[in-house]
Formats: sequence, structure tokens, C-alpha cells
Amino acid sequence: GQQLNQSPQSMFIQEGEDVSMNCTSSSIFNTWLWYKQDPGEGPVLLIALYKAGELTSNGRLTAQFGITRKDSFLNISASIPSDVGIYFCAGPVGSGNTGKLIFGQGTTLQVKP
Amino acid sequence: NAGVMQNPRHLVRRRGQEARLRCSPMKGHSHVYWYRQLPEEGLKFMVYLQKENIIDESGMPKERFSAEFPKEGPSILRIQQVVRGDSAAYFCASFRDRTGEQFFGPGTRLTVL
Repeated sequence: GQQLNQSPQSMFIQEGEDVSMNCTSSSIFNTWLWYKQDPGEGPVLLIALYKAGELTSNGRLTAQFGITRKDSFLNISASIPSDVGIYFCAGPVGSGNTGKLIFGQGTTLQVKP
Repeated sequence: NAGVMQNPRHLVRRRGQEARLRCSPMKGHSHVYWYRQLPEEGLKFMVYLQKENIIDESGMPKERFSAEFPKEGPSILRIQQVVRGDSAAYFCASFRDRTGEQFFGPGTRLTVL
């Protein structure tokens, strides 16, 4: 079945540094979603990407939909302590984007003040 | 997460008991997805429902698990005769249109003693 591979698995950075994480798949996705999950909470949607090559920003977050439609990356600039959490990429499978989401394994981010 | 409600937030059951998890989607949303998350893992799809219909239950274990989304009231995920391996966080998500964006509730953390 379809799988999403995220890297790195975890990151430990200094406050103020930029962060980059990516997600790859062996098959094509028509939509890429990036979520953040805080401990004890549900995932929160950060950015949605719908078009190959699309670059979208949300504050300090920037995400891109790869040209091949098999990858995506998420950048966080000037990290702050509240960026701590687990970041997941996800993509819907099935027709018309109504299908279930497949999730990557997650990237755990820790920020040292 | 605003709008998707799940209860209870925490549920403790002994082996052999039944667990009932409830989810109310965002206002105006008629599609509900249930996912399960084991510790240190990403979310795994279980079942997709529309009002009064199960659309995709390919991720649901064949025995002991059932789900419904009645015309009135919340969606219910029911686990009969729970076992320790059922201990996990269970999330529901809803979406309104065909963007593929799913919005998650805070989850129910099930602990089986």
C-alpha cells in the first residue's frame, strides 16, 4: 500500500534556528497536508498543498509540493519554544480527496531556549 | 481542532469490558473518519462514515470493533471485550467538502487494565 516516509525522525535545535523536514512517497499524491501534534492533543492542520510545485507559507512555516508529486517539505524559520511537537505529513488516498489520510511516521522537534 | 468534539477524553476499562467513544464533527460537516494512534507512531485509518452510512471500513479490525454515524447525534466507535492491545489514542476527524483537509478532535485516550 501507499506509504509516506518522513525524515528526520527527530530534531533537537537551538531557539532561533531554521528547521527543515521532508516527506517522500513511492506513489503520487494529489494533496499534501502538514499537521502538528502537541502532547495529549489531536493533530492541527498547518498547511495544505494542492498543486505540484506549489509553495505556500503560513507565518514562519513554508511548505512545498514537489514537482513529481511524490514529495513535500516543511520549513520553520526562526524557531521558538512553542514549535516543540510532532510534525506529520499526510495525504488522502482514494478518489476526489474524500479518502482516508495516510500519515508519515512523524518528525519530533525539540527546541532549546 | 476547533469544533470537532470527542468524549470522553480519557477512558479506562478492564479487559473484557466495552468502550464507547463519541465524536461530534464540526458544524455543517457530514463526513467522519476514525483513526488510531499507538505510542510513538503516526495515525492509522480505521473507518470513514457519512450520515447513516459506512463508506470505508478497510482499517477496522474484523472483530469486536464497530462504528456508526446516525442521522441524529454523534458518531460512535464501539469496542467490545477490550484487550490490552486496544490501549491507544483514538481520533476522529471531519471535513465538509472535497479539499481533502481533515480537522481532528482532541482524541480519546483508552487505557485497558
